[in-house]
Amino acid sequence: GEDVEQSLFLSVREGDSSVINCTYTDSSSTYLYWYKQEPGAGLQLLTYIFSNMDMKQDQRLTVLLNKKDKHLSLRIADTQTGDSAIYFCAWGDSSYKLIFGSGTRLLVRP
Amino acid sequence: DTEVTQTPKHLVMGMTNKKSLKCEQHMGHRAMYWYKQKAKKPPELMFVYSYEKLSINESVPSRFSPECPNSSLLNLHLHALQPEDSALYLCASSLRGRNEQFFGPGTRLTVL
Repeated sequence: GEDVEQSLFLSVREGDSSVINCTYTDSSSTYLYWYKQEPGAGLQLLTYIFSNMDMKQDQRLTVLLNKKDKHLSLRIADTQTGDSAIYFCAWGDSSYKLIFGSGTRLLVRP
Repeated sequence: DTEVTQTPKHLVMGMTNKKSLKCEQHMGHRAMYWYKQKAKKPPELMFVYSYEKLSINESVPSRFSPECPNSSLLNLHLHALQPEDSALYLCASSLRGRNEQFFGPGTRLTVL
């Protein structure tokens, strides 16, 4: 079956880098995604990576994919208080479904 | 227009009420989705519409009834809900054949 593990909570100081990790079991997906959810809001698509890539950089965001270990990570450089939110990794199967991780709550301390 | 809108933002209803949630997008997306999200949990897929036809129903109770009147609109009709149905209901859309989904802000539903 499908299963995704994310650490529940991460606390960093403003200006530091944050690394959020995701371990998945299904290796058939073409794209893997990172979503951000602020309190009381919907999910915002942050970035995605194609499964034949190892790394993708998008401004302060760096996504790393290790297919051998089925490990996906999101690095946020120069973390700001506005980055405080819940972050979900996700991937799509062939039937439009998105499989979400359990979510990591990021708290940025001033 | 690059967003998904949802109304109402908040809804409080009794167990005997009938209400509807609405979702709209004008991005030309032909797949639309309803999700239910409980506090501190990831979203759970309820329904998927592709080209205005229901393609996935994740064994959702019949007190939730989806409707897709046209390619831009998605409704979720609610009837005889239970208190445990209280949650954030999210709508999303995507280009057909692509998985990146764009989410609306959600409707916070409370069932008394």
